[in-house]
Amino acid sequence: GNSVTQMEGPVTLSEEAFLTINCTYTATGYPSLFWYVQYPGEGLQLLLKATKADDKGSNKGFEATYRKETTSFHLEKGSVQVSDSAVYFCALSEDRGYSTLTFGKGTMLLVSP
Amino acid sequence: SQTIHQWPATLVQPVGSPLSLECTVEGTSNPNLYWYRQAAGRGLQLLFYSVGIGQISSEVPQNLSASRPQDRQFILSSKKLLLSDSGFYLCAWSIVGDEQYFGPGTRLTVT
Repeated sequence: GNSVTQMEGPVTLSEEAFLTINCTYTATGYPSLFWYVQYPGEGLQLLLKATKADDKGSNKGFEATYRKETTSFHLEKGSVQVSDSAVYFCALSEDRGYSTLTFGKGTMLLVSP
Repeated sequence: SQTIHQWPATLVQPVGSPLSLECTVEGTSNPNLYWYRQAAGRGLQLLFYSVGIGQISSEVPQNLSASRPQDRQFILSSKKLLLSDSGFYLCAWSIVGDEQYFGPGTRLTVT
């Protein structure tokens, strides 16, 4: 079956540091890949997505590239802010006529001033 | 634009009591609807999904049930809550082949 593996957190960084959160996946077909973000006490928000190999998703300074050869979709940001503190979820979807999302366990990011 | 509502936002219920959580979507027709649970320190677990009125599929056997009485309404229920039912419940919607959009969630504490 499908699965998503994320690096365990928490990841603690100082403001303006470079961020990488690793994500690898296992899938039988050709999934779409997503990063969702969850701020404290809130639901999940879609951060970015990529639908095919070598696509790069980007939003709010975050980027991730769909790497089929390494089955990875690592999240990066060049300079984090305190407001980026949240839990980040990597997910994959295979369309079967309905959207099915398989999530990683989430990585908490804590950014200090 | 589309919006998704969940209520209540927080709920504290004793063990053995019933449960009803509601989710409604505005601004779209015939969405796929989903219920997830997020336990403390853990990822998201898909509980139920629905591709149409009255069509419910269960992913995990448990004492919870779901219903879809209207196109854009999705209800999560239980007849008798267990301590293990505590968690953060998220409703989501999608259009066929697209990503999912999540509601604000309901924090349930079973005491």
